[in-house]
Amino acid sequence: DTGVSQDPRHKITKRGQNVTFRCDPISEHNRLYWYRQTLGQGPEFLTYFQNEAQLEKSRLLSDRFSAERPKGSFSTLEIQRTEQGDSAMYLCASSLEGLPHREQYFGPGTRLTVT
Amino acid sequence: AQSVAQPEDQVNVAEGNPLTVKCTYSVSGNPYLFWYVQYPNRGLQFLLKYITGDNLVKGSYGFEAEFNKSQTSFHLKKPSALVSDSALYFCAVRDEGGSQGNLIFGKGTKLSVKP
Repeated sequence: DTGVSQDPRHKITKRGQNVTFRCDPISEHNRLYWYRQTLGQGPEFLTYFQNEAQLEKSRLLSDRFSAERPKGSFSTLEIQRTEQGDSAMYLCASSLEGLPHREQYFGPGTRLTVT
Repeated sequence: AQSVAQPEDQVNVAEGNPLTVKCTYSVSGNPYLFWYVQYPNRGLQFLLKYITGDNLVKGSYGFEAEFNKSQTSFHLKKPSALVSDSALYFCAVRDEGGSQGNLIFGKGTKLSVKP
């Protein structure tokens, strides 16, 4: 299976600690997206990359959040000084470059719990 | 601003009966519309999309969706429900002229199919 993978699947951390998540997209996909999903809600967009360039960031992406995609392949999402409100499922998706009607393919997500 | 509404938190259907999961949208331009399904502890799986053309779109696992521009709706349908269709369903939209990055998701509808 060469779908989108995410690591770790679950992360429990104490408030104030930093966490980093990894996403490996489908290999031929140029675009990579990060979303956050809380209980009872649909995914909310955080940011996206085309190759290594971060092209858009949501206002949800506070200055405690940073995302990178250094070689245009895998991506990392770091949250500094975690807060309880950061507890959520963090989803990564990828798609082929180009037209906006391209569907996005999602990974299984990383569930973050901040205690 | 773009938005998606899924007016039903839950839909209950008996196995073998037809099912409909409702979705309405709001965009300023022409919409690209998507349906995704989420099974427990798994990422979102793409079902189908509307780009242009025929208002009835066919997708995976026997699902189809009907685009209605005048009612700004994109309801998901299946002629005969299976117990294995029980899952969380999300409608999403992207404006043709809007952001190239993110999808705007509804809150999701839980589909429960009873034997």
